[in-house]
Amino acid sequence: KAGVTQTPRYLIKTRGQQVTLSCSPISGHRSVSWYQQTPGQGLQFLFEYFSETQRNKGNFPGRFSGRQFSNSRSEMNVSTLELGDSALYLCASSSTGLNRYEQYFGPGTRLTVT
Amino acid sequence: TQLLEQSPQFLSIQEGENLTVYCNSSSVFSSLQWYRQEPGEGPVLLVTVVTGGEVKKLKRLTFQFGDARKDSSLHITAAQPGDTGLYLCAGEREWGAQKLVFGQGTRLTINP
Repeated sequence: KAGVTQTPRYLIKTRGQQVTLSCSPISGHRSVSWYQQTPGQGLQFLFEYFSETQRNKGNFPGRFSGRQFSNSRSEMNVSTLELGDSALYLCASSSTGLNRYEQYFGPGTRLTVT
Repeated sequence: TQLLEQSPQFLSIQEGENLTVYCNSSSVFSSLQWYRQEPGEGPVLLVTVVTGGEVKKLKRLTFQFGDARKDSSLHITAAQPGDTGLYLCAGEREWGAQKLVFGQGTRLTINP
């Protein structure tokens, strides 16, 4: 079974631009979560999507948004980029079966804002 | 304030030594998960512990869930350079906007 894939792996943007990141979950997984990881703050939860609906949301400004498609693929968008948005953005999918709420992470997208 | 506190945050030891990483909270969790992350990759799930007092072993790694399901530990015996990485604990909650909360991580370096 293929793992979680994220595209692109690396991205360089300038302040004020917007960016869209893509995530394809493990086949059969309907829950997709997004995290921001920085050396200072660690792993911070952005939001979770389940069956095309945002189920949970972390404490991030409205510039961060996402969506999920009918095939469970998800996209995350950041508008009006700031220098502080430079981070590793991780997507994780989760099964809603018998297993506990375990996250299967993709390799991440390294975003650099200059 | 972190809901899950990991200690130590950094640990550098010699190959062959033993070590323990701690994950503590004042909250009760329905499960506690441990992940390992290597540079340039996403975290990989190592183990999930569910029952208070539960102990799970994964080769040289031993994971324990506290009796009250508020804390956990990871013990590595005879550490090897391949154990190097960022170890993250994560607690599963029954309530709240964020179902899985992560500790800030322990960066482990095993020197040959």
